[in-house]
Amino acid sequence: DAMVIQNPRYQVTQFGKPVTLSCSQTLNHNVMYWYQQKSSQAPKLLFHYYDKDFNNEADTPDNFQSRRPNTSFCFLDIRSPGLGDAAMYLCATSRPAGGLFTDTQYFGPGTRLTVL
Amino acid sequence: AQRVTQPEKLLSVFKGAPVELKCNYSYSGSPELFWYVQYSRQRLQLLLRHISRESIKGFTADLNKGETSFHLKKPFAQEEDSAMYYCALSGSGTASKLTFGTGTRLQVTL
Repeated sequence: DAMVIQNPRYQVTQFGKPVTLSCSQTLNHNVMYWYQQKSSQAPKLLFHYYDKDFNNEADTPDNFQSRRPNTSFCFLDIRSPGLGDAAMYLCATSRPAGGLFTDTQYFGPGTRLTVL
Repeated sequence: AQRVTQPEKLLSVFKGAPVELKCNYSYSGSPELFWYVQYSRQRLQLLLRHISRESIKGFTADLNKGETSFHLKKPFAQEEDSAMYYCALSGSGTASKLTFGTGTRLQVTL
């Protein structure tokens, strides 16, 4: 089945130690998103790629970076994780229909990040 | 700024009872509204969108621009409806970018 895959499902890192989360998709979608979801909070968009064009949200900390080497893969890099970065990180994809309406987003299972 | 409010963290109903999950939004233009659902140990997925005006798994939602609401309703709750429900908004000019509410956990009991 075509899908969105996130690895690993659980990641533990140490305070200040860089960490990379991975997302891959077999849907061949143009757009890939990264959301951060803290406990009991709404998923919050960090940034997204439309093909190779990177779109950062204004309030996303510089500590968070992303790479998209090809259509299928997108990475979230946290350069110096703090305790406040512990959260579920969700990857999603979409294929713009080219019309007036927002396209459906397809989500991965998420990676739960723990910072010690 | 756009905002989505889901006032209830938890909604517990009996099987067969009507369900209404509340969602209110704040947006100055013409929004698109969605309901996403996450069943236990599954990923977040689209349930329905206001543009489609269709019923999915017995759920419907009507966009009320006057009350800025998009409540999700089902006349008779089933056990398999137990899940986390998120209301989301996409504003005009920000195609594909979603603002989510904090979610409501629906618990259907026998």
